[in-house]
Amino acid sequence: QSVLTQPPSVSGAPGQRVTISCTGSSSNIGAGYDVHWYQQLPGTAPKLLIYGNSNRPSGVPDRFSGSKSGTSASLAITGLQAEDEADYYCQSYDSSLSGSKVFGTGTKVTVL
Amino acid sequence: EVQLVESGGGLVQPGRSLRLSCAASGFTFDDYAMHWVRQAPGKGLEWVSGISWNSGSIGYADSVKGRFTISRDNAKNSLYLQMNSLRAEDTALYYCAKVGVLEATWGYFDYWGQGTLVTVSS
Repeated sequence: QSVLTQPPSVSGAPGQRVTISCTGSSSNIGAGYDVHWYQQLPGTAPKLLIYGNSNRPSGVPDRFSGSKSGTSASLAITGLQAEDEADYYCQSYDSSLSGSKVFGTGTKVTVL
Repeated sequence: EVQLVESGGGLVQPGRSLRLSCAASGFTFDDYAMHWVRQAPGKGLEWVSGISWNSGSIGYADSVKGRFTISRDNAKNSLYLQMNSLRAEDTALYYCAKVGVLEATWGYFDYWGQGTLVTVSS
């Protein structure tokens, strides 16, 4: 199982703000490794949403923001839209797992 | 435009082998590390393996170590995954993904292919 824990699901009405947590430990997020976030729309490949904890690639709306503190990171979506309904994954590096890249358990965002 | 196109998936019996390929275009392939990530049906993402731009650094998830071998051919702009001794739990959609930082072995994945499905079943 993954060493990065996310809530299985979060939901919100259109226009609301939701946050997704990504909880790690001292061997990954707490060790200073960057956290990245991906959005996976139904039936499609993951798409990079946030890199380096808080940076948005070109084309990603500024409604999406990332932060990191201690052994956790968060993804916030403000002004929630129907098209944001998707699975979201965090990713980092873990020094205790043979140098493995690790993904979070994933969070399903539902727009009510 | 960056494109990553996986191929080679299919139905295979337990214990048999399969070789996946990923054809890359739209960027200087030999400047970037490449990785394989898989997703079992209805499950989350699992990192499988990664290879640096010059094949000098390679890593595997513990779940595939000793059974899978990653390689690349920079002359052909291609990434490969040789999968031996396949198990039912290897059934998944396998994505190839490009690292977003020039010459970095590890990092975020800025481009993904659409995946190739591997089904291990008798």
